[in-house]
Amino acid sequence: QKEVEQNSGPLSVPEGAIASLNCTYSDRGSQSFFWYRQYSGKSPELIMFIYSNGDKEDGRFTAQLNKASQYVSLLIRDSQPSDSATYLCATHNDMRFGAGTRLTVKP
Amino acid sequence: DAGVIQSPRHEVTEMGQEVTLRCKPISGHDYLFWYRQTMMRGLELLIYFNNNVPIDDSGMPEDRFSAKMPNASFSTLKIQPSEPRDSAVYFCASTFGGSEAFFGQGTRLTVV
Repeated sequence: QKEVEQNSGPLSVPEGAIASLNCTYSDRGSQSFFWYRQYSGKSPELIMFIYSNGDKEDGRFTAQLNKASQYVSLLIRDSQPSDSATYLCATHNDMRFGAGTRLTVKP
Repeated sequence: DAGVIQSPRHEVTEMGQEVTLRCKPISGHDYLFWYRQTMMRGLELLIYFNNNVPIDDSGMPEDRFSAKMPNASFSTLKIQPSEPRDSAVYFCASTFGGSEAFFGQGTRLTVV
């Protein structure tokens, strides 16, 4: 079974801090990944798509992919209370998700 | 487009009853995914279709679960007979060519 692993948290950071979320995967055939955000009681929504080794930045969000070590991470700079949600990573090729990490940003 | 539409939004049923969940994907999308989400197990991929053909059903828990996609605009997930451990939120999602997946609002199923 192809696995996508995430630390379920919860992860708590103060407002303005950097939140770091991590995901590891077992299938070396996975080449690209999505990061989704899910607010409580809502559906997942896309934040980032990354397919190349290295960093990809979009506003306050930076996704990092390291294919050799088989991990993908998401950094949220200047965290805001509105960032409090569960963050899910997923493989692009078959849309398998990790269990998600619950993030709380405290004012 | 109205997005991915799931029905019903909430379903409460008794153990042993048949449950049918419905999904209408975004028009033009060629992939459709069914997921189950619980606190314990997270967002599990149950099955996905490409151009109405089931590609991977390895996530379907057991024979009580079945899914169909008779045409490009409709899919069903059926549980027969239902059990309390099937209680979860079931999501349907669709994509075009493997791009971003758009999720429906989900169906919250409670089996008592």
